Amino acid sequence: DQQVKQNSPSLSVQEGRISILNCDYTNSMFDYFLWYKKYPAEGPTFLISISSIKDKNEDGRFTVFLNKSAKHLSLHIVPSQPGDSAVYFCAASPSGGGADGLTFGKGTHLIIQP
Amino acid sequence: ETGVTQSPTHLIKTRGQQVTLRCSSQSGHNTVSWYQQALGQGPQFIFQYYREEENGRGNFPPRFSGLQFPNYSSELNVNALELDDSALYLCASSFLGFQETQYFGPGTRLLVL
Repeated sequence: DQQVKQNSPSLSVQEGRISILNCDYTNSMFDYFLWYKKYPAEGPTFLISISSIKDKNEDGRFTVFLNKSAKHLSLHIVPSQPGDSAVYFCAASPSGGGADGLTFGKGTHLIIQP
Repeated sequence: ETGVTQSPTHLIKTRGQQVTLRCSSQSGHNTVSWYQQALGQGPQFIFQYYREEENGRGNFPPRFSGLQFPNYSSELNVNALELDDSALYLCASSFLGFQETQYFGPGTRLLVL
């Protein structure tokens, strides 16, 4: 039973445009959400996070939106750049202590086309 | 500030053998977590260690065990290897209570034949 779902295995976006990556979750106990970016042969790199008490968090070109009632979050990248081509993972956690670990989605492969 | 390092980078074992993977945490981090990433899947939480004690575990059998040392380096041990254990094993270090500072190493690619 997948508790974090990323339904788009891949997404192709033109350079300079907005990239929108989506993530849905089913566990109501999740209250902290993160996005990670992964290049081949490297470990995931933390990008941005959001707590359930917020509905938006922004960091430079990256913005994460959280809709708790819909159990949905999205990552917006504006403008998209060639270096953004990577696999993006959505992750969630039910506690602040981290002892339950992070639950990840399967990832979305973002391809930025010139 | 040094990052998270893992060794070896690649490993091939046969079914039934035992394997030990190693991780060196980012400087100053007191918590280490291990994840298994099968092909085409997201990372799956195996367990977490804090102050040399396991303080959280995912849905993995007891043949997956670990150690954390006083210098915060860590080992993941897997006994009685099965073909399905073939995966990328990721180590992540952080401060307890701050998931956003969970820094991942490059991983160890394990192939079980």
